[in-house]
Amino acid sequence: GQNIDQPTEMTATEGAIVQINCTYQTSGFNGLFWYQQHAGEAPTFLSYNVLDGLEEKGRFSSFLSRSKGYSYLLLKELQMKDSASYLCAADLPSGDSNYQLIWGAGTKLIIKP
Amino acid sequence: ETGVTQTPRHLVMGMTNKKSLKCEQHLGHNAMYWYKQSAKKPLELMFVYNFKEQTENNSVPSRFSPECPNSSHLFLHLHTLQPEDSALYLCASSPLSLDRGYYNSPLHFGNGTRLTVT
Repeated sequence: GQNIDQPTEMTATEGAIVQINCTYQTSGFNGLFWYQQHAGEAPTFLSYNVLDGLEEKGRFSSFLSRSKGYSYLLLKELQMKDSASYLCAADLPSGDSNYQLIWGAGTKLIIKP
Repeated sequence: ETGVTQTPRHLVMGMTNKKSLKCEQHLGHNAMYWYKQSAKKPLELMFVYNFKEQTENNSVPSRFSPECPNSSHLFLHLHTLQPEDSALYLCASSPLSLDRGYYNSPLHFGNGTRLTVT
């Protein structure tokens, strides 16, 4: 079956670094998305990893290991506005379907002063 | 402004009511989606439209009826809903999902409609 897991909730301190993990078990795999969703708002795209390794975008970086079925989102120099839910989603080969994403349930990140 | 606009933002309806959710995208995309988001659960894909044609119906009960009159507008018609249908309903769009060359194009979501069925 298809499965993707991430922690339900994490807490971190303003100015610190936090790593949000995502593990997946899927039949086939194209890449992995990360989205950020503030309470009451739309999920917004953060990153998409296809190749193994770390991709950096300012304070946010995303890592992928295809052999281990593992990804993480690294947030540096945390700010209060980073308090949000972070969703990972595995992009799977379409087969008969045109678009297949398997979503994690999201990690709620709480930033404390 | 996300480029994808959903109305209404909040909706309370009884189980015998009929209502519709509306989604409009201003991004020139050709694929549109309805998702259901329940607390502490993964996003559930409900329907996908490519160039106004429905290409996915993810075993959604018939009390949910989608309509896509053109590539910019998407509706979700609701009737005789159940309390367990209470959730956040998200609309999204992407350039094109048929062409796998766009497989890494992200979804653009609206802010959602918070639906409560009483």
